[in-house]
Amino acid sequence: GNSVTQMEGPVTLSEEAFLTINCTYTATGYPSLFWYVQYPGEGLQLLLKATKADDKGSNKGFEATYRKETTSFHLEKGSVQVSDSAVYFCALSGSNNRKLIWGLGTSLAVNP
Amino acid sequence: GAVVSQHPSRVICKSGTSVKIECRSLDFQATTMFWYRQFPKKSLMLMATSNEGSKATYEQGVEKDKFLINHASLTLSTLTVTSAHPEDSSFYICSARGPAAGEGQFFGPGTRLTVL
Repeated sequence: GNSVTQMEGPVTLSEEAFLTINCTYTATGYPSLFWYVQYPGEGLQLLLKATKADDKGSNKGFEATYRKETTSFHLEKGSVQVSDSAVYFCALSGSNNRKLIWGLGTSLAVNP
Repeated sequence: GAVVSQHPSRVICKSGTSVKIECRSLDFQATTMFWYRQFPKKSLMLMATSNEGSKATYEQGVEKDKFLINHASLTLSTLTVTSAHPEDSSFYICSARGPAAGEGQFFGPGTRLTVL
């Protein structure tokens, strides 16, 4: 079945550091891939998405590229800010399935 | 656009009572909504898929008689936790599938349930 594997946290970085959070998936067909973010005390928000191979999703300085050859959707940001401190979830939605399959989440703490 | 609200945001109840949580899509119609439970420092656990006008589809291990789901309209789904016990205390989150294909899900802000 479909699954998502996400790097375990917590991740602690200094402000302006480069961020990578790894996410790989297993799926049949052509899934859509998502990154969601949950800021402290808030609900989940869609950060970015990609619906087909080689698509790059981007938002708020974050990027992730749908790599079918490596079945990956790694999240990157060139220079993190304290306000990026949150939990990040990688997820996929199968081509014939409306359910989201979730990674376990990666907690990011950015120190000033 | 694509805003999902939940009510209440926080509820405290006594053991043995029932609690109803509402999930509304405010500016779009949602034929499918999802109910999740989130444990501290853990990922979301999908409890059930709520389909407008039909019975909900529950995930394995989720008691359908305990977690009653009603999706009576295209903008409202309700989750009722019946005969709540302290172990039901958790953060419950609903989401609605976006109106466009491949849009993913839009999440409500969650409801913190505490059962005393």
